[in-house]
Amino acid sequence: EVQLVESGGGLVKPGGSLRLSCAASGFNFSNYVMHWVRQAPGQGLEWVSSISGTSSHFYYAESMKGRLTISRDNGKDSLYLQMNKLRAEDTALYFCVRGHGYGSVDYWGQGTLVTVSS
Amino acid sequence: QSALAQPASVSGSPGQSITISCTGTSTDVGGYKYVSWYQQHPGKVPRLIIYDVNNRPSGVSNRFSGSKSGNTASLTISGLQADDEADYYCGSYTSSSTPGVFGTGTKVTVL
Repeated sequence: EVQLVESGGGLVKPGGSLRLSCAASGFNFSNYVMHWVRQAPGQGLEWVSSISGTSSHFYYAESMKGRLTISRDNGKDSLYLQMNKLRAEDTALYFCVRGHGYGSVDYWGQGTLVTVSS
Repeated sequence: QSALAQPASVSGSPGQSITISCTGTSTDVGGYKYVSWYQQHPGKVPRLIIYDVNNRPSGVSNRFSGSKSGNTASLTISGLQADDEADYYCGSYTSSSTPGVFGTGTKVTVL
């Protein structure tokens, strides 16, 4: 069974940092592109960041470019997202998701809540 | 990359069929056969229900079907049931640098 379990969210002051983690199991992790997708309270879905299976290709949302670093450890079946200089508008539920084909995702974690507030 | 346009809400009575539209451009929906649909019940995680325009993952009811014409994709739910009440998001591959683009979301209400 595919499982994705996020951790690392929490309450942080504007300008602060957080490192999100995602532990994957139930599939060959290194074979998949992995993504972070976020959903602000009561809002829609937004791609945040992506990383290829071999860590050779990356994507960062324009709204967060320069403040994010995505990484993965295929030996530990884990995905990470370092977020710096956080802003109030970054408040959202951050999902770890597995890539599926082109432009879609098939498995979602439960999400980890990031709240940026003073 | 702008979000794909969806109606804010669609409603129907049990047993009826409803269709949700998803409008993009030639650089996303219109340019590729890679449209997906997600169902999200309140407080729950999104679930993939359609991929590559009209394919259903294992375990998804055949009451859900997808199609595409030009820059607009559609999700049809037939035999509407109470449990179909949820938010639905479309998604598409895109020629831009983003891994994909999501729709604005549609709230389905079962009357």
